[in-house]
Amino acid sequence: AQTVTQSQPEMSVQEAETVTLSCTYDTSENNYYLFWYKQPPSRQMILVIRQEAYKQQNATENRFSVNFQKAAKSFSLKISDSQLGDTAMYFCAFMALKTSYDKVIFGPGTSLSVIP
Amino acid sequence: NAGVTQTPKFQVLKTGQSMTLQCAQDMNHEYMSWYRQDPGMGLRLIHYSVGAGITDQGEVPNGYNVSRSTTEDFPLRLLSAAPSQTSVYFCASRRGSYNSPLHFGNGTRLTVT
Repeated sequence: AQTVTQSQPEMSVQEAETVTLSCTYDTSENNYYLFWYKQPPSRQMILVIRQEAYKQQNATENRFSVNFQKAAKSFSLKISDSQLGDTAMYFCAFMALKTSYDKVIFGPGTSLSVIP
Repeated sequence: NAGVTQTPKFQVLKTGQSMTLQCAQDMNHEYMSWYRQDPGMGLRLIHYSVGAGITDQGEVPNGYNVSRSTTEDFPLRLLSAAPSQTSVYFCASRRGSYNSPLHFGNGTRLTVT
C-alpha cells in the first residue's frame, strides 16, 4: 500500500521569503502522479501543482515549484516570494497509474503561516 | 459552471441519528469519492465510485454507506452517527483519465454530540 508522509506539521515564513515544504512517499509502483493541494481557511481544496513520475523535469507554476527526486521518493514544494494569501494547509498526494481510476492518497498536511 | 456541490455546509447530529450528505457534480466525471479530514491525519478515503452502479470501500468505510444511481450524484449515508464521525467531509470527482486531477466540493463540517 502507498503512504505519504509530511514531516513538518507547522511552518512559518516571512512575507517575500522562500519556503520549502517536504513530502516523502512509499510505493512499489513505477508510474504515478504526485500533487500538492492548498487548503486556505475557507476550507476549499485547491490544486497547486502536479508532477508525472516519468517526467524528469520538475514542474513549476508561477511562484510554486517542486523538487522531485524519484529514487529518494521525495517531492518537496518550494514557494518563492511568499505572500499573505499563501497562508494555508498544504497537502501532498499520490496517485498510482495502474488504472485510470486509481485512488488519491493524501499526507497529513503542513500548516504554513506567512508572517507580515 | 457549478463543479462539485456539497450540502449541507454544517450539520450537528445527536448520537444514533442518521443523515445523508449530498454530493452532485455537473462535469460528467466517472469517478467520485468521499474523504474525511481530521487534524493531523490529512484526508482519508471513505468510499469511492467509478461509475453509476459501481462503488467500493476506501480506507475508513465503517459506519458509512454509499450508492451511485446516476453519474451526477454520490450521497454518503451515516446510519447511526457516533462522536467518532465528527469531522469535515469532502466529496471529490475526476474524469477517468490518467492526467485528470481531483475536483473538490467545499466540504461539510459534521459534529456528533
